[in-house]
Amino acid sequence: KQEVTQIPAALSVPEGENLVLNCSFTDSAIYNLQWFRQDPGKGLTSLLLIQSSQREQTSGRLNASLDKSSGRSTLYIAASQPGDSATYLCAVKSGGSYIPTFGRGTSLIVHP
Amino acid sequence: GAVVSQHPSRVICKSGTSVKIECRSLDFQATTMFWYRQFPKQSLMLMATSNEGSKATYEQGVEKDKFLINHASLTLSTLTVTSAHPEDSSFYICSAIPGLAGGFSETQYFGPGTRLLVL
Repeated sequence: KQEVTQIPAALSVPEGENLVLNCSFTDSAIYNLQWFRQDPGKGLTSLLLIQSSQREQTSGRLNASLDKSSGRSTLYIAASQPGDSATYLCAVKSGGSYIPTFGRGTSLIVHP
Repeated sequence: GAVVSQHPSRVICKSGTSVKIECRSLDFQATTMFWYRQFPKQSLMLMATSNEGSKATYEQGVEKDKFLINHASLTLSTLTVTSAHPEDSSFYICSAIPGLAGGFSETQYFGPGTRLLVL
């Protein structure tokens, strides 16, 4: 059974810092890995989707990498801003299933 | 991009009543939709997979008679919480996979969620 762990659980940083959020998974036979953002009381917004054949994806200040062999993904946020404050969730799809396994998320606060 | 809506966004009801939550894919068709439940500061827990034209597949521990799911069309799935109790209070989120085949590599699009409070 796939298990997804996200570290750290919470993070508070001053504006402008470069950040790394970590996601690890136990079963390396994955189809894809997706990073989401969730604002308080809101649904999920997809940030980046990495297929199993890819090593990384970039969108603006966000960069996500994938290392299947070690069961890890990182989300890199450059030059963080207060508007980046949210919970970031990692979800892994594997095992011939439509259903991704979610981590518990990293709660990020970027203060001015 | 693909948009999924949920209605209502927030509902307060008395214990013992039933509540229906709608999930719609606005600009795409989806054979498969999912219903999740999220407790405060917790991740999403899959409740059931909703398949158009067939019965939903429930995760272990989810009462199918309490959480009724109907996927009547390729753009609409509904979740009805029957005889709601305070412990059913939670944040319910749906998602949908675009396409009629629902390929494994497809991304999921999530609705904005419905906050249910049972008094």
